[in-house]
Amino acid sequence: KNQVEQSPQSLIILEGKNCTLQCNYTVSPFSNLRWYKQDTGRGPVSLTIMTFSENTKSNGRYTATLDADTKQSSLHITASQLSDSASYICVVSAGRGTDKLIFGTGTRLQVFP
Amino acid sequence: NAGVTQTPKFRVLKTGQSMTLLCAQDMNHEYMYWYRQDPGMGLRLIHYSVGEGTTAKGEVPDGYNVSRLKKQNFLLGLESAAPSQTSVYFCASSSPRGEGVGHNEQFFGPGTRLTVL
Repeated sequence: KNQVEQSPQSLIILEGKNCTLQCNYTVSPFSNLRWYKQDTGRGPVSLTIMTFSENTKSNGRYTATLDADTKQSSLHITASQLSDSASYICVVSAGRGTDKLIFGTGTRLQVFP
Repeated sequence: NAGVTQTPKFRVLKTGQSMTLLCAQDMNHEYMYWYRQDPGMGLRLIHYSVGEGTTAKGEVPDGYNVSRLKKQNFLLGLESAAPSQTSVYFCASSSPRGEGVGHNEQFFGPGTRLTVL
């Protein structure tokens, strides 16, 4: 069964600190892996998309890594800001079909001053 | 560009009532999707459309119907609402064009929060 698991479920950090969110997946066939940011009451917004051959991709203070061998990904947030408070969702695309996105349940990050 | 918009933002229904959620996109995307998001679960695909006049079932289609009469609009209907349909509904759109990882990136609307009593 295709699954995407994220950890931790929730995380609290102080402003300015770094943090890393984890994603493990069992999805076949693998096409790409995406990280989305979802602010409370809003729709998800794409942060990064990585294919099988990419090990890392950055978007500002967000850096995603992918280990296709171990089927793990991480999202590292550097120098956190209050605006980083959101849920971060890992999504794996199982092939190129339009209905093949497998969503994780997300990690809820809260950044406090 | 407004991107993907959804109407209404909030709605409360009684069991058995019907309603239609409207999704509109101004990005000329061919593909459109309806998802539901429930606490403790990832987004789940209800129905999707790969073009005007075509629709297909997703992971959780029961109790919902959809129509894509115009390329820019995708309607989600609940004929007889049930408490189990209490959820936040998201519409998304994407284009099959583009190269590499840009292929089929989905853009989401702000969501509709539906409560069925």
